[in-house]
Amino acid sequence: AQKITQTQPGMFVQEKEAVTLDCTYDTSDQSYGLFWYKQPSSGEMIFLIYQGSYDEQNATEGRYSLNFQKARKSANLVISASQLGDSAMYFCAMREDTGRRALTFGSGTRLQVQP
Amino acid sequence: ETGVTQTPRHLVMGMTNKKSLKCEQHLGHNAMYWYKQSAKKPLELMFVYNFKEQTENNSVPSRFSPECPNSSHLFLHLHTLQPEDSALYLCASSIAGSEQYFGPGTRLTVT
Repeated sequence: AQKITQTQPGMFVQEKEAVTLDCTYDTSDQSYGLFWYKQPSSGEMIFLIYQGSYDEQNATEGRYSLNFQKARKSANLVISASQLGDSAMYFCAMREDTGRRALTFGSGTRLQVQP
Repeated sequence: ETGVTQTPRHLVMGMTNKKSLKCEQHLGHNAMYWYKQSAKKPLELMFVYNFKEQTENNSVPSRFSPECPNSSHLFLHLHTLQPEDSALYLCASSIAGSEQYFGPGTRLTVT
């Protein structure tokens, strides 16, 4: 089974609107971390936001927020007030805190912000 | 210079060549990683180093040989590659377990 599932290969959003990028995960660990990265066309992976499995509050970083629903094993990224520069690939990733500690990435969602 | 740097940014090599990719981090991190990103596939972890020691080799063919001389530098030595090895190779670093910071990647083309 896939550890990280991103079901939206591509998304469009109008500038200044909010958009939600979906991510579901699969783990039997009680302790884990969830990450979102942005990859512009230049190729660099840019860390956006982190949510720990024991964090009770949803993580927020500026215009980014993570809608963490533990029981549903979902960790959706919400981008508010979209900007043209938000157009990029977005990857959800998970780190399990037992055994392997490296990140497992989803297949990504390509977001295009339209003027 | 800050962050994670990678050189070269682009590399074209023949199947019989030997080349090396270099990664350097200036963040004081103790873990470094190599990932491969092929078209239409998720990022694939290749190698993990913690405090210069290799802690993970994700079944990577021996034509890829990593080297970590210290916590700030990571190399990927390439030898007799195949065309299917063409991809974006990303280096990352972290304080073990925390968020990883990535370099800009090396786009490799094997002809």
